[in-house]
Amino acid sequence: GAVVSQHPSWVICKSGTSVKIECRSLDFQATTMFWYRQFPKQSLMLMATSNEGSKATYEQGVEKDKFLINHASLTLSTLTVTSAHPEDSSFYICSARALAGEINEQFFGPGTRLTVL
Amino acid sequence: GQNIDQPTEMTATEGAIVQINCTYQTSGFNGLFWYQQHAGEAPTFLSYNVLDGLEEKGRFSSFLSRSKGYSYLLLKELQMKDSASYLCACMDSNYQLIWGAGTKLIIKP
Repeated sequence: GAVVSQHPSWVICKSGTSVKIECRSLDFQATTMFWYRQFPKQSLMLMATSNEGSKATYEQGVEKDKFLINHASLTLSTLTVTSAHPEDSSFYICSARALAGEINEQFFGPGTRLTVL
Repeated sequence: GQNIDQPTEMTATEGAIVQINCTYQTSGFNGLFWYQQHAGEAPTFLSYNVLDGLEEKGRFSSFLSRSKGYSYLLLKELQMKDSASYLCACMDSNYQLIWGAGTKLIIKP
């Protein structure tokens, strides 16, 4: 099946710093990538949907100036958490939808665990 | 509004069978997915149903009834490694996945 990678797998940072998370589709082209956040014992929460070459569409309640998303190519999307605070500590997961997927399946990256001190 | 309902937690015995139900209400329907998620890991794809009926894949089967807005995931010959959360998700008319809260499945020896 299709492979999606995320980097880094985990990151610890100080409050006020910015953190960039990369999401790559390794063996397919992804027109659409999704960024999710998941707090402990809760379900996935969609943060934003990004299409290659256009601005991301953010879900209600997600600050676009705080969570910067760039989808510069068909294989790479980045999420930058700016001025991170302890409440931003969470598990961030990206997924990618193939350019011509047969069943519109989303392929998930392994996730990035962010801890803000 | 859009809504996905599934039980919060279920317990079953190793070697047994368990059925996890999911009911949904979405604006449009482009299929229903089941994912497995172990603690601290990203979800992994289990099944996809877009037509009514049962899809069998090894020990796991998934059923869909579009008229009833209902699906279930059936796990047979349960193994300890099946202890995980099982997420039901529907794809709406915009091809957006709407997620249920997940069912935590606990397997006991």
